[in-house]
Amino acid sequence: GAVVSQHPSWVICKSGTSVKIECRSLDFQATTMFWYRQFPKQSLMLMATSNEGSKATYEQGVEKDKFLINHASLTLSTLTVTSAHPEDSSFYICSARLAGGRRGTDTQYFGPGTRLTVL
Amino acid sequence: KQEVTQIPAALSVPEGENLVLNCSFTDSAIYNLQWFRQDPGKGLTSLLLIQSSQREQTSGRLNASLDKSSGRSTLYIAASQPGDSATYLCAVYTSGTYKYIFGTGTRLKVLA
Repeated sequence: GAVVSQHPSWVICKSGTSVKIECRSLDFQATTMFWYRQFPKQSLMLMATSNEGSKATYEQGVEKDKFLINHASLTLSTLTVTSAHPEDSSFYICSARLAGGRRGTDTQYFGPGTRLTVL
Repeated sequence: KQEVTQIPAALSVPEGENLVLNCSFTDSAIYNLQWFRQDPGKGLTSLLLIQSSQREQTSGRLNASLDKSSGRSTLYIAASQPGDSATYLCAVYTSGTYKYIFGTGTRLKVLA
């Protein structure tokens, strides 16, 4: 099946620094990728939709200047958490959309996640 | 706006019991529905994916059903084992938006 990777799998940083997380589709091209955030004991919340070659679209309440998304190629999207603070500590998961050739076969494949801890 | 709810929020059962986890969604215009398992501190493991045209999918001891018209899906786990202990999430892929909306999750604990 389709594989999506994330790097790094975990990262610890100091408050005020920026952190970049990569999401790659390994064996398919993804014109659209998605970024989710999960706080402890909570479900996944969609943050933004990353579109190859164009600006990302953000969900309501997500600061676009804080969470910078770049989708420079059909297999790579990056999420940069700028000026990170302890409240940004979370589990970040990406997914990549595999567009279906037939109606009803469109789906997404999820990465293994990146745990960010901001001290 | 699609909303996904899972009941119960938590469940603790003795080993060997058959279980039913419930997922309901408000917008029936979906491409598919997927059930995931998540172990503590880990990512998502896809268990079953049901296309909008399908009624159920089976994998080993797991069976998922989909009733799109009523906005419901159930995950049936047969002969539960301690290794089944995890959080189970359902996610609905809504037509037109190409977004997965996740449910609130069910935390399952199977006691030996």
